Amino acid sequence: GDSVTQMEGPVTLSEEAFLTINCTYTATGYPSLFWYVQYPGEGLQLLLKATKADDKGSNKGFEATYRKETTSFHLEKGSVQVSDSAVYFCALMDSSYKLIFGSGTRLLVRP
Amino acid sequence: EAGVAQSPRYKIIEKRQSVAFWCNPISGHATLYWYQQILGQGPKLLIQFQNNGVVDDSQLPKDRFSAERLKGVDSTLKIQPAKLEDSAVYLCASRPTVDEQFFGPGTRLTVL
Repeated sequence: GDSVTQMEGPVTLSEEAFLTINCTYTATGYPSLFWYVQYPGEGLQLLLKATKADDKGSNKGFEATYRKETTSFHLEKGSVQVSDSAVYFCALMDSSYKLIFGSGTRLLVRP
Repeated sequence: EAGVAQSPRYKIIEKRQSVAFWCNPISGHATLYWYQQILGQGPKLLIQFQNNGVVDDSQLPKDRFSAERLKGVDSTLKIQPAKLEDSAVYLCASRPTVDEQFFGPGTRLTVL
């Protein structure tokens, strides 16, 4: 079945460092891809999405490009802030519109 | 617009007790989902409703879990009897016609 694999955390960075969180997927067809963020004590929030190959999703300085050839959707940000500390989930939406999530990557940004 | 509402936010029960969670989706969203998020893992789908009908409940442990969505709006998820391994955050989400889900804040369940 469909699945998502993302890098294990925690990822610890200093403020203003470059961030990459790797995500790869296995799916039949070409699913929509998502990054969700979960801040401490809060629910899941959609960070960005891409619905077809070569699409780039972006929001709040974060970017991810839908790469069909490598079945990847890596999350990047050029300069992280302490406020970006959270858990990030990569997900795909299958043909029946349900989300399949990766296991999450915790990001800790130090001042 | 108002977001997805869930209650309670926190619940502590002893094993073998029963518990119920409530979800009010965003107005007009026909599709509603319940996910279980165990600590350190990504959310996993328990059940999906389209209006008041079940679309997918293949991952719902039906011997102890039940869910309903009366009148195609609010939904309740029940666990009876609870086990220790049911400790998790239970997330409700709703979807309009486009491919995006909106999540509620979740209910954190602790089973002692």
